[in-house]
Amino acid sequence: EMQLVESGGGLVQPGGSLRLSCAASGFTFSSYAMSWVRQAPGKGLEWVSTISASGNTTFYADSVKGRFTLSRDSSKNTLHLQMNSLRVEDTAVYYCAKRLGRVVITGAFDIWGQGTMVTVSS
Amino acid sequence: EIVMTQSPATLSVSPGERATLSCRASQIVSSNLAWYQQKPGQAPRLLIYGASTRATGIPARFSGSGSGTEFTLTISSLQSEDFAVYYCQQYNSWPPDTFGPGTKVDIK
Repeated sequence: EMQLVESGGGLVQPGGSLRLSCAASGFTFSSYAMSWVRQAPGKGLEWVSTISASGNTTFYADSVKGRFTLSRDSSKNTLHLQMNSLRVEDTAVYYCAKRLGRVVITGAFDIWGQGTMVTVSS
Repeated sequence: EIVMTQSPATLSVSPGERATLSCRASQIVSSNLAWYQQKPGQAPRLLIYGASTRATGIPARFSGSGSGTEFTLTISSLQSEDFAVYYCQQYNSWPPDTFGPGTKVDIK
C-alpha cells in the first residue's frame, strides 16, 4: 500500500524555523516528483513546493520562496521541508503529496499524507 | 497564474439525487484538471484526473467532463459518504498548481 506519513509540525513563534518530514512507503520513491500542499484553518488548498524525482529541481510558491527549502533523501525514502522566517500566515496543515505520473514534474496528486499542523503564533 | 473558480459554493442535495459541480479556469488548461474530495479532518482524495479519468478505486457514480476552461464533476446518485468538500486543480500551466475554492456538498 502506498503511504505518506508527515511529522515535524508544532507551535513556533513568528520568525522561527521548523523542519517537516514525510516518510514514503509502498512505491518507488525515487521515480516520482513530490510536493507539499497546505491548508490554512477553514480555508482551501494551496500548493507550496515541488521537487523533481531526481531531486535536482525544486519549485516554490511565491509566498514561501526564499524562506522554505525542499529536499529529498531517496536512500531513506524521505522528503524534508525546511521552513525559516515563519509568519503567522504560514499557519496551516501541511500535506505531503505524490504526483500521479512517474518522473513528470506536474500532474494530479494521487497519494496524500494525513497532514501535520504548523502553528505560527507568539 | 491561472485562477480557478468553482460553483456553487454550497450545494444541498438529497441522498440518491444527482449532483453537478462546476469548475472554471481563467485560461485554457486543456484536460489537465483534477478533482478531489475532502472530508472533515481528512486529507484530500483524488477522484478524477485528466478531466475525465477516474482514479483507482473511485466508484463509477463519479464522472468528470470538460476541457479548455469549463469542467464538471457529476455524482450520479449521492450516497451518505459523498457529503464533503470538492476541489478542482489545474496542472497545465505550472508552477504553480492552482486549486479552486471548493464546493461543499451537504445534505438537503
